[in-house]
Amino acid sequence: DIQMTQSPSSLSASVGDRVTITCRTSQSISNYLNWYQQKPGKAPKLLIFDASSLRSGVPSKFSGSGSGTDFTLTISSLQPEDFATYYCQQSYSIPHTFGGGTNVEIK
Amino acid sequence: QVQLVESGGGVVPPGGSLRLSCAASGFTFSSYGMHWVRQAPVKGLEWVAFMRYDGSIHYYGDSVQGRFTISRDNSKNTLYLQMNSLRTDDTALYYCAKDRLRAAPGPASLADWGQGILVTVSS
Repeated sequence: DIQMTQSPSSLSASVGDRVTITCRTSQSISNYLNWYQQKPGKAPKLLIFDASSLRSGVPSKFSGSGSGTDFTLTISSLQPEDFATYYCQQSYSIPHTFGGGTNVEIK
Repeated sequence: QVQLVESGGGVVPPGGSLRLSCAASGFTFSSYGMHWVRQAPVKGLEWVAFMRYDGSIHYYGDSVQGRFTISRDNSKNTLYLQMNSLRTDDTALYYCAKDRLRAAPGPASLADWGQGILVTVSS
């Protein structure tokens, strides 16, 4: 199975900050990498697919990059509604494993 | 809009069985692959199973392989997860999710999610 390592596991940031979350995979997955946002008590929401494609309706402050084994999710200017947990997921091979999550908290 | 509503959860003793259902509406169910994903209390997400839009292919996560069975009834717009030989570490909120791609040969990303149904395995 492909192992997913997200870092950091949590971070504190202020409104307006630029935030970057990293996801590293145990083997190359080309660009088969997805990012999800989950708020407390809610189901996850797909933000980005294929490493860098923004899902329709998702604000452009979210962006993704990377290929192979190293990927990043960037939030250009953190807003109050962005405080949540973010997960990466690989869709390259079965099972489609998730990263451990990054909890973005208010500083 | 897409709606996915899970049902069938509850409390079951270790070794028991349970069948989850996911009623879909707002899209052409028979054209999309479907997933089950679970989340143990205060834990991360774990991908559980996938079934192709036509029911011809299915895949499972390692921890449920051989114990869980995913199925679908396209005439009823419903996805199922039959869970047998349940263990305490199967306790989780189970989500049903629709794949992003229409009529795709295999699983991609999870575009739409239900609100989840709680399964508790305890004696």
